[in-house]
Amino acid sequence: NAGVMQNPRHLVRRRGQEARLRCSPMKGHSHVYWYRQLPEEGLKFMVYLQKENIIDESGMPKERFSAEFPKEGPSILRIQQVVRGDSAAYFCASSPLPRDSNEQFFGPGTRLTVL
Amino acid sequence: QQQVKQSPQSLIVQKGGISIINCAYENTAFDYFPWYQQFPGKGPALLIAIRPDVSEKKEGRFTISFNKSAKQFSLHIMDSQPGDSATYFCAAASWGNNRLAFGKGNQVVVIP
Repeated sequence: NAGVMQNPRHLVRRRGQEARLRCSPMKGHSHVYWYRQLPEEGLKFMVYLQKENIIDESGMPKERFSAEFPKEGPSILRIQQVVRGDSAAYFCASSPLPRDSNEQFFGPGTRLTVL
Repeated sequence: QQQVKQSPQSLIVQKGGISIINCAYENTAFDYFPWYQQFPGKGPALLIAIRPDVSEKKEGRFTISFNKSAKQFSLHIMDSQPGDSATYFCAAASWGNNRLAFGKGNQVVVIP
């Protein structure tokens, strides 16, 4: 049973470009979460999605950031017009139905570097 | 606002010793408390978790102690090994609200 998969593992963008981060949840998991980790910091919640639905986006910056989890395919975290402050590790996690378990399983992360 | 606070920031332990990491939380609605282990360049891996209906949970060499009245919980790593050298994060969430609030992490170094 493959774990949570994220790609790319490393992404380099110049200021003003767009970054697209992809996440495939564990088999059987229908809930996806995105977290951001700055150097020497803990993970900060960004957004919680299930298929075709955003459940909680209270941690998402108001501008330039968006997320989706379509009926088919991976979840996408999109950052438009990246700035140097967006450089961080972005982790995706997945879980079974929240009413059954709080457990979240994390992917290896995408390390975004903005030049 | 940091909802979950960890201490100490870093820890050096001799092989075979006990590593103890503490966490404190503020939100009394939290009722799920996991610990994650993270190696450099990797994603966090769920180590052990506890709910407030028990005061202690043990899995192998890892034990969580939970003090509901003090709003604190701790991770004990018994017989620490060099392979345990990693960053450990505590977190908290409310049942049905899967937004995990993480502490800043503790770097544990186990020396031979």
